[in-house]
Amino acid sequence: DGGITQSPKYLFRKEGQNVTLSCEQNLNHDAMYWYRQDPGQGLRLIYYSQIVNDFQKGDIAEGYSVSREKKESFPLTVTSAQKNPTAFYLCASSIKRRMNTGELFFGEGSRLTVL
Amino acid sequence: GQQLNQSPQSMFIQEGEDVSMNCTSSSIFNTWLWYKQDPGEGPVLLIALYKAGELTSNGRLTAQFGITRKDSFLNISASIPSDVGIYFCAGQESGGGADGLTFGKGTHLIIQP
Repeated sequence: DGGITQSPKYLFRKEGQNVTLSCEQNLNHDAMYWYRQDPGQGLRLIYYSQIVNDFQKGDIAEGYSVSREKKESFPLTVTSAQKNPTAFYLCASSIKRRMNTGELFFGEGSRLTVL
Repeated sequence: GQQLNQSPQSMFIQEGEDVSMNCTSSSIFNTWLWYKQDPGEGPVLLIALYKAGELTSNGRLTAQFGITRKDSFLNISASIPSDVGIYFCAGQESGGGADGLTFGKGTHLIIQP
């Protein structure tokens, strides 16, 4: 079945450690996105990528990094520079012709907790 | 980014009741979307609206794109237990790119037995 797979679903990190969240899609979608969700908040865009080997900062990119070496994969690294990393992280994708319509397919999310 | 005001923040209803929620913006949007998020899952697109005044249904769900292009409404008729979750509105500004999507803070729907 086609879809977006995020892993791990739960992750615990000590302060000062970098962690990488995986996002893989087999939908053949061109664009991929990372959002952060905090309780009682809407989704905030961290990074997005419209094509391989290219990505753009979203509204809250500080303390995060991404790569897009393959169309199917868009991993997110939460670095030690991110001051408040505990959150629910959502990866999403969209087809090229729907890129500007907001129609997104989301993964199941990864919950990161900093101890 | 732009601000979306979504209300109510939460709703406690009885099974079988109808539900209404809305989003307003200070900006004009080209597209309005409604997503639902089940606990511990990612959001799923329910309805997408592309024209001012458009009224679209998806089963028991009906959404409208406001005439002013600054608001949208979602109604759920005859609620059932599986309707529980968080409903998000999202708007895409005219000329906005892939990064131009703004989300509301969500309406948490709770159905009391």
